[in-house]
Amino acid sequence: EDQVTQSPEALRLQEGESSSLNCSYTVSGLRGLFWYRQDPGKGPEFLFTLYSAGEEKEKERLKATLTKKESFLHITAPKPEDSATYLCAVHLNSNSGYALNFGKGTSLLVTP
Amino acid sequence: EADIYQTPRYLVIGTGKKITLECSQTMGHDKMYWYQQDPGMELHLIHYSYGVNSTEKGDLSSESTVSRIRTEHFPLTLESARPSHTSQYLCASEDRGTQSSGANVLTFGAGSRLTVL
Repeated sequence: EDQVTQSPEALRLQEGESSSLNCSYTVSGLRGLFWYRQDPGKGPEFLFTLYSAGEEKEKERLKATLTKKESFLHITAPKPEDSATYLCAVHLNSNSGYALNFGKGTSLLVTP
Repeated sequence: EADIYQTPRYLVIGTGKKITLECSQTMGHDKMYWYQQDPGMELHLIHYSYGVNSTEKGDLSSESTVSRIRTEHFPLTLESARPSHTSQYLCASEDRGTQSSGANVLTFGAGSRLTVL
């Protein structure tokens, strides 16, 4: 069964303390892996798309990487404004066309 | 600035009422989606559309219905709301993009939080 699993469920960091979020997937026919950020009371906001193993993308303090089994979202020297839930989603060729399948997310809290 | 709009943002209604959640996008996207999200849980696809007059059910069974009469508009309707329908409903549209794999970016609305008493 195709699955997307994110860990940890919650992460608390001090400002400046770097860490990584994990997204592992067991799917066939991967067509892309997406990272989104979701703030409370809002819809997810697109961060990155990765399509093939070895690919990396960066944006400010965030860097996403992809292997054949998992993706990491590295957060370097985070700030309180990076606090949010980070969602990983895999684009599958499924019965629902090319719809995204989401993980449960990692809730990140960065304290001053 | 949001290019996809959902109304109402918050709705509290009694059991048995009919409700419609509105979703509009100004980007000319053909593909649109409705996801349902409960606290601490993943987003589940409940409906999608590939264009005008196209609607399909998603992976999660839902008692709601959708329509797509115009490209920019994708409303979701519950004929008789129940407490089990209490949830956050997120609408999204998909950029045509340039990926031959079909994996393009979704733009989400801010969501409609529905509470059924």
